[in-house]
Amino acid sequence: AQSVTQLGSHVSVSEGALVLLRCNYSSSVPPYLFWYVQYPNQGLQLLLKYTTGATLVKGINGFEAEFKKSETSFHLTKPSAHMSDAAEYFCAVSTLLHGGSQGNLIFGKGTKLSVKP
Amino acid sequence: GAVVSQHPSRVICKSGTSVKIECRSLDFQATTMFWYRQFPKKSLMLMATSNEGSKATYEQGVEKDKFLINHASLTLSTLTVTSAHPEDSSFYICSARVGYTDTQYFGPGTRLTVL
Repeated sequence: AQSVTQLGSHVSVSEGALVLLRCNYSSSVPPYLFWYVQYPNQGLQLLLKYTTGATLVKGINGFEAEFKKSETSFHLTKPSAHMSDAAEYFCAVSTLLHGGSQGNLIFGKGTKLSVKP
Repeated sequence: GAVVSQHPSRVICKSGTSVKIECRSLDFQATTMFWYRQFPKKSLMLMATSNEGSKATYEQGVEKDKFLINHASLTLSTLTVTSAHPEDSSFYICSARVGYTDTQYFGPGTRLTVL
């Protein structure tokens, strides 16, 4: 079974500072990993995903994440925070099932990012 | 591309009534649609998965007779909350994907309040 742990339910950074949101996963098979962002009262928007290949994945809005198998991590980073980055961020994992279909997404509990001016 | 809409965005209903929420993939045909429920300050909980033309597969603990899901076409799935009660109040989010290996694209969510 897969699981996702997001360390820190709330992260606060100053505008222009580095953003680091932590995600660790558990999976007995090669994982597919995702980061989604949710703005208040809205659905989820895909930031980036890792399936196979290059372990450093670049997404939208200047975010990137690195898949580290040895650490079972997929931390999300952005060099310089912007006020508009304030939102809830969810890490998720799924796997490729027998037969080739993708399994269900398992979400972490989310990390709320606050950006101070 | 890959836009998913939900209607309504907000709904308030009286206890005992039924509410239907629509989920549409606007620019692609969705092989599979998913329904999630999100409690305040909590993560998303998968309620059910539906494939076009098939019966939905419900997650453990989700009452299939209370949360009726219909996936009649490749672009439309509906969730009907029957005999709603205040504890059904929540944020319901749908998602859709094209193929069996594709990314899920999420709708904007529907805020249900049952009085």
